[in-house]
Amino acid sequence: AQSVAQPEDQVKVAEGNPLTVKCTYSVSGNPYLFWYVQYPNRGLQFLLKYITGDNLVKGSYGFEAEFNKSQTSFHLKKPSALVSDSALYFCAVRDGPGNTPLVFGKGTRLSVIA
Amino acid sequence: DAGVTQSPTHLIKTRGQQVTLRCSPKSGHDTVSWYQQALGQGPQFIFQYYEEEERQRGNFPDRFSGHQFPNYSSELNVNALLLGDSALYLCASSLLPLYNEQFFGPGTRLTVL
Repeated sequence: AQSVAQPEDQVKVAEGNPLTVKCTYSVSGNPYLFWYVQYPNRGLQFLLKYITGDNLVKGSYGFEAEFNKSQTSFHLKKPSALVSDSALYFCAVRDGPGNTPLVFGKGTRLSVIA
Repeated sequence: DAGVTQSPTHLIKTRGQQVTLRCSPKSGHDTVSWYQQALGQGPQFIFQYYEEEERQRGNFPDRFSGHQFPNYSSELNVNALLLGDSALYLCASSLLPLYNEQFFGPGTRLTVL
């Protein structure tokens, strides 16, 4: 069965500094990986996905993520954090192209300090 | 283009009651998935509907049931509500194949007293 781990409950960074939100996964087949963001009292917004191809994936709002197969990681990054990036971030994985559901991590709360 | 919509926004029920939540998918999407997000947790998959049939189901009891209509909209029904059913219920729509990203609605906050 697939699983996702987000080892940090909370990440704090200063505005303008780079940010990283960590994610590791476990699947038996090929991983399909996703990042979503959730603002207070809102649903989840899609940021980016990795299916195949380049290990560095670029997404919305200046976010990017790096797929590392050997470390089974898919860390979310942004070169320069904004206060408005403060939110709850979820990593999710699907085990291959079959009819399997998304499995989410527990989420990481990002706080960007002005 | 309207995104995924859900109704109602908030709902308060008492133990033992039944509840129906509704979801309209993003225009052009044919697959609807339902998730339960308990406080402080990530979303957990309940089930998925495609072509008006339940295609996948997560680890949820039979008290949770659903339906998809010909216009692709969907309902989630929960019977015999328990306090532990209090959560944010999220609907997500997508277009097969399943490597496409899912688009989420704002959710329905269910409180069971």
